[in-house]
Amino acid sequence: EVQLVESGGGVIQPGGSLRLSCAGSGVIGSNYLTWVRQSPRKGLEWVALILRGGNTYYADSVKGRFTISRDSSQNTLFLQMNSLREDDTAIYYCARDRPNSSGWYLGSWGQGTLVTVSA
Amino acid sequence: QLTQSPAYISASVGDRVTITCRASQGLSGWLAWYQQTPGKAPKLLIYGASILQTGVPSRFSGSGSGTDFTLTISSLQPEDFATYFCQQADTFPLTFGGGTKVGIK
Repeated sequence: EVQLVESGGGVIQPGGSLRLSCAGSGVIGSNYLTWVRQSPRKGLEWVALILRGGNTYYADSVKGRFTISRDSSQNTLFLQMNSLREDDTAIYYCARDRPNSSGWYLGSWGQGTLVTVSA
Repeated sequence: QLTQSPAYISASVGDRVTITCRASQGLSGWLAWYQQTPGKAPKLLIYGASILQTGVPSRFSGSGSGTDFTLTISSLQPEDFATYFCQQADTFPLTFGGGTKVGIK
């Protein structure tokens, strides 16, 4: 069974920084990995994606503030979040591709980690 | 942009349930459906608009192309009471529908 486990969430003040991690068997061999967040106000919102080759893509709402990266030696995905705002408050999920399919489908997800941005 | 309807369905076990997802521009077949139960992550049900993910029961089906897509549950089971989301898998930014909650009548 594919496993993805997020960590690093917590309570942070506006303007602060946080780094999320995602580790597990699902990181290995993935064609792409992504972060998706969910909040009651905005629903499910795609955040960022990284291809196996290293190319990255971002939602406009986080571009310039968030950085997605992966450490292949540690089989870990990261999301560095800077200049956090209250509307970044959400559960953050990491997810990977659905193998052997075209299109940006999210075949496996982690359990999520909660980020709360509040003064 | 993806618009799901209805936002809420009240249904009974055994009912046939249909959820629609309308895209603001054509997607060809690049659409997925996910199921989410409280406290859990979304789970992929259907991709390519109509292809059932491995292990998903055959009572789930998807159809559509272009801008209009449908998720159908042919005979609702107790474990199907959940929230369902569509997602366009065509271009960045990836986007999700607002969700349809299937509740017990």
